[in-house]
Amino acid sequence: DTAVSQTPKYLVTQMGNDKSIKCEQNLGHDTMYWYKQDSKKFLKIMFSYNNKELIINETVPNRFSPKSPDKAHLNLHINSLELGDSAVYFCASSQDLGRVYEQYFGPGTRLTVT
Amino acid sequence: LAKTTQPISMDSYEGQEVNITCSHNNIATNDYITWYQQFPSQGPRFIIQGYKTKVTNEVASLFIPADRKSSTLSLPRVSLSDTAVYYCLVGAHFSNDYKLSFGAGTTVTVRA
Repeated sequence: DTAVSQTPKYLVTQMGNDKSIKCEQNLGHDTMYWYKQDSKKFLKIMFSYNNKELIINETVPNRFSPKSPDKAHLNLHINSLELGDSAVYFCASSQDLGRVYEQYFGPGTRLTVT
Repeated sequence: LAKTTQPISMDSYEGQEVNITCSHNNIATNDYITWYQQFPSQGPRFIIQGYKTKVTNEVASLFIPADRKSSTLSLPRVSLSDTAVYYCLVGAHFSNDYKLSFGAGTTVTVRA
């Protein structure tokens, strides 16, 4: 059983399009995160939700909108895609806010904007 | 968050022990030291965490001196499959920061 899963694994789209990435965790964790890893391999936090409540919203363009329909899911919707959005996006989860340093990551979604 | 410094890259050969040292001079009293491993085309994976002295699990050992200003991740008898990026992170579980800050990590390349 995959603990943290993401779909799709690859996403190729054109500038200006709107796309979504889905994330699900079956670990029973309360807290979920979205990270962006750029071409230089730096991993940066974008958002974090705890029990469906947004708790971290880093300096991310408002074209990015996370949605958490329940504790097990955290989706990322991106409007008006730009070339600079090309990156690998990782979803992660932790048991709760007290276990921030023990996160479980998904396999990543490689987004390519042309 | 405590700033960490680790080597950019290390090369090794199969069967050798690899030691990666991370410096964290301004580590706080409540901070833990955590290491993650990231294989190519995969998400980071939590491998070990410690507060002081030595911690060992099936993957690695973590050595932390008494002053806690540095730590060393030890990978025993590496194989080609240990080629990965290793990240050192320092922070407190119950802080109000609620996030991990990854640096550049150490790229370990294991050769046959």
